[in-house]
Amino acid sequence: NAGVMQNPRHLVRRRGQEARLRCSPMKGHSHVYWYRQLPEEGLKFMVYLQKENIIDESGMPKERFSAEFPKEGPSILRIQQVVRGDSAAYFCASSPFESTEAFFGQGTRLTVV
Amino acid sequence: KNEVEQSPQNLTAQEGEFITINCSYSVGISALHWLQQHPGGGIVSLFMLSSGKKKHGRLIATINIQEKHSSLHITASHPRDSAVYICAVRVSGANSKLTFGKGITLSVRP
Repeated sequence: NAGVMQNPRHLVRRRGQEARLRCSPMKGHSHVYWYRQLPEEGLKFMVYLQKENIIDESGMPKERFSAEFPKEGPSILRIQQVVRGDSAAYFCASSPFESTEAFFGQGTRLTVV
Repeated sequence: KNEVEQSPQNLTAQEGEFITINCSYSVGISALHWLQQHPGGGIVSLFMLSSGKKKHGRLIATINIQEKHSSLHITASHPRDSAVYICAVRVSGANSKLTFGKGITLSVRP
């Protein structure tokens, strides 16, 4: 049973481009969480999804950011028109049920140049 | 004030020492997590606690719900224990998203 898989591990984008970050949860896990770790800061919650539904997006910036977790395939965090301040490590975690232990991926390190 | 506070911010120890990392929180919680992150690496879940104490190898985690405090202990520390240790909580009544402390950077010298 592979762990939570995130790709790419490193992503470089120019200002104004789009960034797509993928997260494949562990097998049997239907709950996915996205967190962001800005340089020199702690982790912050972004969005919580359960298959095809957004449960909580209170941590997502109102503009340019979106997330989905389709019935088939990985969860996608999409950042449109990236700016330098979006440079961060983005971590995905998954769990089989709500309120059970969540398992983290290796993260995607986004650099905006 | 952050909902989750960790102390000390940085910690240096000699190999073999007993290490304690502390976490205090100011909200009601349903669970507390201890996580480990190596530089440039992913995040590994060490423990999930809602009461009492858990032990795994050289690691011990305790929680005092009344005092809103948790500790992570490392016995017989080793340089490979050098990492950032992060405390995170699930707030009661909220969904299962985590609220994190800033983490403590531990360096264990050989």
